[in-house]
Amino acid sequence: DARVTQTPRHKVTEMGQEVTMRCQPILGHNTVFWYRQTMMQGLELLAYFRNRAPLDDSGMPKDRFSAEMPDATLATLKIQPSEPRDSAVYFCASGLGSIVGGGAWDQPQHFGDGTRLSIL
Amino acid sequence: AQSVSQHNHHVILSEAASLELGCNYSYGGTVNLFWYVQYPGQHLQLLLKYFSGDPLVKGIKGFEAEFIKSKFSFNLRKPSVQWSDTAEYFCAVKMDTGRRALTFGSGTRLQVQP
Repeated sequence: DARVTQTPRHKVTEMGQEVTMRCQPILGHNTVFWYRQTMMQGLELLAYFRNRAPLDDSGMPKDRFSAEMPDATLATLKIQPSEPRDSAVYFCASGLGSIVGGGAWDQPQHFGDGTRLSIL
Repeated sequence: AQSVSQHNHHVILSEAASLELGCNYSYGGTVNLFWYVQYPGQHLQLLLKYFSGDPLVKGIKGFEAEFIKSKFSFNLRKPSVQWSDTAEYFCAVKMDTGRRALTFGSGTRLQVQP
């Protein structure tokens, strides 16, 4: 079965360091999402891309977070500088969005295993 | 603002008990509805989804959910739970706004005791 692949699975680093998380979406999917899961907030959407273009990143702290898709097979989420409050599990998901119109009729998203990030 | 509520944060059941997890959303437009499950240490998996048609949808592993539009609800049910159903369950709603992403509920942790 096709899977969304995220690396690394775990990351522990000191505050102030740069963190880069990578995601390989399922081949052919045109939409990529980044979510963050914490005990306090549950699942939050950070950003998402359609055909590699960022459509919404309003959930992402702009001063330290950045998300990019350098090509259709790679999405990255960077935190610089990292802070202890960034500790969470970060999920990437991909999906096949509608080409024409769409609205609510996109297909379900497929999630990766997540990156468990701990900032000391 | 649109939101999704899961009122049961932690549910403990014995094996063979029936399960119903509540999910309510606040949005008056067209929605797609999903239930995702996250087993301990694993990634999110889709249990079932509703796009249109029969409001009673059946998913994997014996789960089903019913969309009641008048109540803005999409409750998850299973007649008889198993120990292997221990997991966290997330309700998610996709709304026909310009923001094409899912809104998740806070999740319900289900613990099934043998």
